[in-house]
Amino acid sequence: QSVLTQPPSASGTPGQTVTISCSGSGSNIGSYYVYWYQQLPGTAPKLLIYRNNQRPSGVPDRFSGSKSSTSASLAISGLRSEDEADYYCAAWDDSVSGRVFGGGTRLTVL
Amino acid sequence: MQLVESGGGLVQPGRSLRLSCAASGFSFDDYAMHWVRQAPGKGLEWVSGINWNSRGTGFADSVEGRFIISRDNAKNSLYLQMNDLRAEDTALYYCAKDMSAQLPPEGFDVWGQGTMVTVSS
Repeated sequence: QSVLTQPPSASGTPGQTVTISCSGSGSNIGSYYVYWYQQLPGTAPKLLIYRNNQRPSGVPDRFSGSKSSTSASLAISGLRSEDEADYYCAAWDDSVSGRVFGGGTRLTVL
Repeated sequence: MQLVESGGGLVQPGRSLRLSCAASGFSFDDYAMHWVRQAPGKGLEWVSGINWNSRGTGFADSVEGRFIISRDNAKNSLYLQMNDLRAEDTALYYCAKDMSAQLPPEGFDVWGQGTMVTVSS
C-alpha cells in the first residue's frame, strides 16, 4: 500500500487531455513539493515535473502539474501514442522521513 | 550526464552485496544522490539518499539498519552496501541524481539504467 494514492490505470485517445491524480496527506503533499516521473516500458524513470508545476528543460509543455492541499495532478494534453507509459508521483513524507512514491498509473493511449 | 550502476547479481538470503554507481558529465560533489528500487512488475521505492558531503543520509524503513549508503566524491561514485539481504529486496536498483545538494530531496533528474539484485537460495 503506497503512501501516495494514484489510480492504477488511465486511458485516452490521441489528442485528448488526460489527468492523473495523486492523493496524499498533510505529512507529504500537504507540506512538500510534488514530483512526477514517466517510465516508458523497459526504461528508467524520467523526471517530468518538479516543484509541483515546473518542467525540466526538454519536457514538452503538453505536460503540466498542479497541487491543491493534499492532492496533486498531472495533466497531459494533446495525447500521443508515445505517452503510453507508467506515471509516478512523489513527495517527501515527514512521518517516515523519506521520499515516497505513488503506486503508479499506467496510461494507455487507445 | 550519465550514471552507470554495477554490482548486482544473485545472492542468498542473509548475505551481503555492494552496489556501485559511477557518475560522469556533471559535478558529482554538487548534488545529493539516491538509490531507488523497483521490484519485478512493481512500482518505484526510494531506498536511500545521501547529501553532497556525506553528512546527511536517509533510509527507507524497509532497509534501515541493514543498508549503508556512501559516496566518494574524488571517484565520482556512489555506493550501497546491502547486508542481511531478504527475498523482498529483489529488485532493479537505480542510482539517481538529485537536483539539490541537500536532503530532503528535490527531483531526481538523472537516472542510471539499473542493476538487478536477486535474493534467492
